Amino acid sequence: QSALTQPASVSGSPGQSITISCTGTSNDVGAFDFVSWYQQYPGKVPKVVIFDVSNRPSGISNRFSGSKSGNTASLSISGLQSEDEAEYYCSSYTRRTTLVFGGGTKLTVL
Amino acid sequence: EVQLVESGEALVQPGGSLRLSCAASGFMFRTFAMHWVRQAPGKGLEFVSAVSTGGDSTYYAESVKGRFRISRDNARNTVFLQMGSLRSDDTARYYCARGQGLKYLDYWGQGALVTVSS
Repeated sequence: QSALTQPASVSGSPGQSITISCTGTSNDVGAFDFVSWYQQYPGKVPKVVIFDVSNRPSGISNRFSGSKSGNTASLSISGLQSEDEAEYYCSSYTRRTTLVFGGGTKLTVL
Repeated sequence: EVQLVESGEALVQPGGSLRLSCAASGFMFRTFAMHWVRQAPGKGLEFVSAVSTGGDSTYYAESVKGRFRISRDNARNTVFLQMGSLRSDDTARYYCARGQGLKYLDYWGQGALVTVSS
């Protein structure tokens, strides 16, 4: 099962907005509205920030939003803050094994 | 409070076996699918395996199929990952995670480090 494709890195200045893309196939991202996004700080446990494409768990800032078009999902973060600097992983339900992850995107807040 | 605590981390020789356990508390364990996800040093997340609420349905990544076996004991609120024919590329931190169905993972344990080396 191939991993979903994410850019290796993105960056932005405080207060700006960024978007991280996540490209899959018609067997995963394109087939189901079950895309999730995870934030992971170095040495820490991943935390879900978006589930089911665009839903935020309780306690997650509304600066985080998700969307999907065809085989590509996106995570957007508005009003960038230094605390947003982390690794972000997308994931999708897939017919074959249940879950597949992206390779991860390192977000740098300049 | 939801808690997931992995145990069984070890240094294992190539070709060896190891069993990881994950003890759950703070929620109705038998009503949630459970997953194992691993992360090799400096690398990304990789789905390993999942088990349905009753344990009757199991799922595996192609990379571990036939070598790993997931199971659960709902009476003991514990999920297991039996790993065999271990290879160096199985070296990773193995996270136990609670699944919202098979769609996403809402709680994660701290992970158990498995090192495969001679």
